[in-house]
Amino acid sequence: DAKTTQPPSMDCAEGRAANLPCNHSTISGNEYVYWYRQIHSQGPQYIIHGLKNNETNEMASLIITEDRKSSTLILPHATLRDTAVYYCIVTSYDKVIFGPGTSLSVIP
Amino acid sequence: DSGVTQTPKHLITATGQRVTLRCSPRSGDLSVYWYQQSLDQGLQFLIQYYNGEERAKGNILERFSAQQFPDLHSELNLSSLELGDSALYFCASSVDPSTGKNTEAFFGQGTRLTVV
Repeated sequence: DAKTTQPPSMDCAEGRAANLPCNHSTISGNEYVYWYRQIHSQGPQYIIHGLKNNETNEMASLIITEDRKSSTLILPHATLRDTAVYYCIVTSYDKVIFGPGTSLSVIP
Repeated sequence: DSGVTQTPKHLITATGQRVTLRCSPRSGDLSVYWYQQSLDQGLQFLIQYYNGEERAKGNILERFSAQQFPDLHSELNLSSLELGDSALYFCASSVDPSTGKNTEAFFGQGTRLTVV
């Protein structure tokens, strides 16, 4: 079973920041938080991952709470091409389990 | 392009038949994962191989089997096919997870299987 809880859907205005939350209250000390997204029926695409520190790359930022029980993926300036299903996963890299994810709709 | 190649891209077959899906991982990646995604459903983890050995098993039916060969490519065999097996089948690969360095999985574009 997936170890994460995400809202099923969210809307975001184009050009605004999209903040996608994820709860992972049972995360273990050696488990990382990963974010992927899937656009339509394409193969999922890696976005970012982290252990306990906040991370940023060219696509997004990842904010992990100090107790590591939740995290937020931030897309700083959402575009229409960011419309996708976003998956939050916790894993030590065995049995990478995807939950239902959050369907993000970026609205013009 | 993720570097993971899946063939064929599309496959149409009849109930009761057997098919083989192939996955070539990214160069250097030792782990291969297989997932099933039915229409409008989530990604169901099927099985993981690491350097030729089964590493983890998910909700894989007994009619399905997989293997990873010495050259690290993998095949997913689906037999006695049923209409409900129609789905997208994704393969992903990642670098050695036992090094202690967690890295991302790279996904292929999938094989769309239609059972008629």
